[in-house]
Amino acid sequence: DTEVTQTPKHLVMGMTNKKSLKCEQHMGHRAMYWYKQKAKKPPELMFVYSYEKLSINESVPSRFSPECPNSSLLNLHLHALQPEDSALYLCASTPVSGDSTDTQYFGPGTRLTVL
Amino acid sequence: GQNIDQPTEMTATEGAIVQINCTYQTSGFNGLFWYQQHAGEAPTFLSYNVLDGLEEKGRFSSFLSRSKGYSYLLLKELQMKDSASYLCAVGAVYGQNFVFGPGTRLSVLP
Repeated sequence: DTEVTQTPKHLVMGMTNKKSLKCEQHMGHRAMYWYKQKAKKPPELMFVYSYEKLSINESVPSRFSPECPNSSLLNLHLHALQPEDSALYLCASTPVSGDSTDTQYFGPGTRLTVL
Repeated sequence: GQNIDQPTEMTATEGAIVQINCTYQTSGFNGLFWYQQHAGEAPTFLSYNVLDGLEEKGRFSSFLSRSKGYSYLLLKELQMKDSASYLCAVGAVYGQNFVFGPGTRLSVLP
């Protein structure tokens, strides 16, 4: 199994809603990542979890709250988002400890629209 | 700081060869990656260079010169399905920083 899965594929939410994005991998990877990607722009790193501990937070607003319940799962909790947060949210994982020599495997992404 | 540069758009003809350049200036360097991304889809890994030289993988080759902060991706025998964005990304030595360049949108025409 060399797949990273993400649910849902599409999400539309209002600014007062609370929702969560889910990412799962069963490759035994020990580092997992959240990226945000706007149209025609490269992915921007948001968070890195290494061995289920948050190791990098790229100054992301607190309305985004990551959670890593175990080594296979990564969640991104969303609350009080703004329309400019509408984007493709990508999850990725790497085999070892998140060292940048590891190839990142990406999930298909969640297309988020905030109304 | 991190600065990675790529041409914004390129156009080429089916069956031709195209070279996509990437220049970088980063505070650390632990390898350069190339990813392909079709519109609305996730990036998929193409190649990884950490030493100078050319890495060949089928129709795709990637070159790295660390002293020049320069890499290119060479695509041969272009096919219509190669129309996509091509992202170079640099892994920094410190921490787990992994920074993408702006991407090059390649259009392959018949």
